[in-house]
Amino acid sequence: QKEVEQDPGPLSVPEGAIVSLNCTYSNSAFQYFMWYRQYSRKGPELLMYTYSSGNKEDGRFTAQVDKSSKYISLFIRDSQPSDSATYLCAMSDSGGYNKLIFGAGTRLAVHP
Amino acid sequence: EPEVTQTPSHQVTQMGQEVILRCVPISNHLYFYWYRQILGQKVEFLVSFYNNEISEKSEIFDDQFSVERPDGSNFTLKIRSTKLEDSAMYFCASSERGLLFFGSGTQLSVL
Repeated sequence: QKEVEQDPGPLSVPEGAIVSLNCTYSNSAFQYFMWYRQYSRKGPELLMYTYSSGNKEDGRFTAQVDKSSKYISLFIRDSQPSDSATYLCAMSDSGGYNKLIFGAGTRLAVHP
Repeated sequence: EPEVTQTPSHQVTQMGQEVILRCVPISNHLYFYWYRQILGQKVEFLVSFYNNEISEKSEIFDDQFSVERPDGSNFTLKIRSTKLEDSAMYFCASSERGLLFFGSGTQLSVL
């Protein structure tokens, strides 16, 4: 079983839709969960950071962590064409002080 | 806004040649990293560096790889004798309070 699984998509939605992106993981030691956005041939850009279980909201983005199910989600409200990118989940047992394990990334296309 | 800077953006080399990839981390960060992403694959951890020494390395980071912080601002990744399978995008990152910030990457092509 892979440590982090993420559906690669592609996911195509109309502008204004609510987008749900998900990852599952197998390592119960993971405590720190991040979402990165990656535009083509660019570096990952940190979007959201969550410690342990719960929800975190930042503008149009909401991150959820369910440690009992080993499942994390990123919701994007009122999606915009500029949100079109690959979204990577990443996690670790000690935040950025230790290696991050990335998912494969989900490619999102928001069309006008 | 401070950012991680990587040079060059593209590097083409012949198999067996040495390459040095350069990074300028964010100035007040203390932890530095190299990750790589082979086309179509996951971002993979290579090495972390703190207090002038390697704190962790992956299985990928074998004797052909080395890292150095030659002065107070630069952080380099050296590949001694490149192989075809080293072709990838190499990302430098630095962290503050456990949050990693990545550079735009160096696309390495080994011919």
